[in-house]
Amino acid sequence: SQQGEEDPQALSIQEGENATMNCSYKTSINNLQWYRQNSGRGLVHLILIRSNEREKHSGRLRVTLDTSKKSSSLLITASRAADTASYFCATDLNDKIIFGKGTRLHILP
Amino acid sequence: DGGITQSPKYLFRKEGQNVTLSCEQNLNHDAMYWYRQDPGQGLRLIYYSQIVNDFQKGDIAEGYSVSREKKESFPLTVTSAQKNPTAFYLCASSISPQGGEKLFFGSGTQLSVL
Repeated sequence: SQQGEEDPQALSIQEGENATMNCSYKTSINNLQWYRQNSGRGLVHLILIRSNEREKHSGRLRVTLDTSKKSSSLLITASRAADTASYFCATDLNDKIIFGKGTRLHILP
Repeated sequence: DGGITQSPKYLFRKEGQNVTLSCEQNLNHDAMYWYRQDPGQGLRLIYYSQIVNDFQKGDIAEGYSVSREKKESFPLTVTSAQKNPTAFYLCASSISPQGGEKLFFGSGTQLSVL
């Protein structure tokens, strides 16, 4: 069951620029999460936004949630080389946590 | 240090062989999960457990089995019935059995077929 879908699939930007990636989902959720995965490693939790929240910040990360459009966006400001990774959104569905296919972000020097 | 430990990091399976992937957590979390990740793909849920001695099938459970005899351990067996087992396997845990809580991940096991 595919609940979340990230867009774009891949993104390359210059260091210092902002990166925006989007997530769309199909059914109602209690919350939505974003994770980062460096190549060959486990996922690291970035931020969780609940269905009654519209925006949340954590350092250089800003997440928005629009439940009417069933979509979320992750903005990384002032990107750094260390931000190169894959980013996944995850939503809850019947006590399961379902992941999208991810956005591969590459920060160019 | 609290966390989730997966072992081994790399594992090779011969045809017709069952192999078991280990996952241990010392976070005192109730819920544990197994995901499979194919190259360039997202994570697909294999099995999850919300409490000791109980577990549920995820989206791709065929060819896999699990047990949850202890709170801190959730081993995954890849059986010979799984015809395409080559993938990166990730174990995760969350503090609560209610869905939607933050997941903590292990560093993964790469399984390959000889």
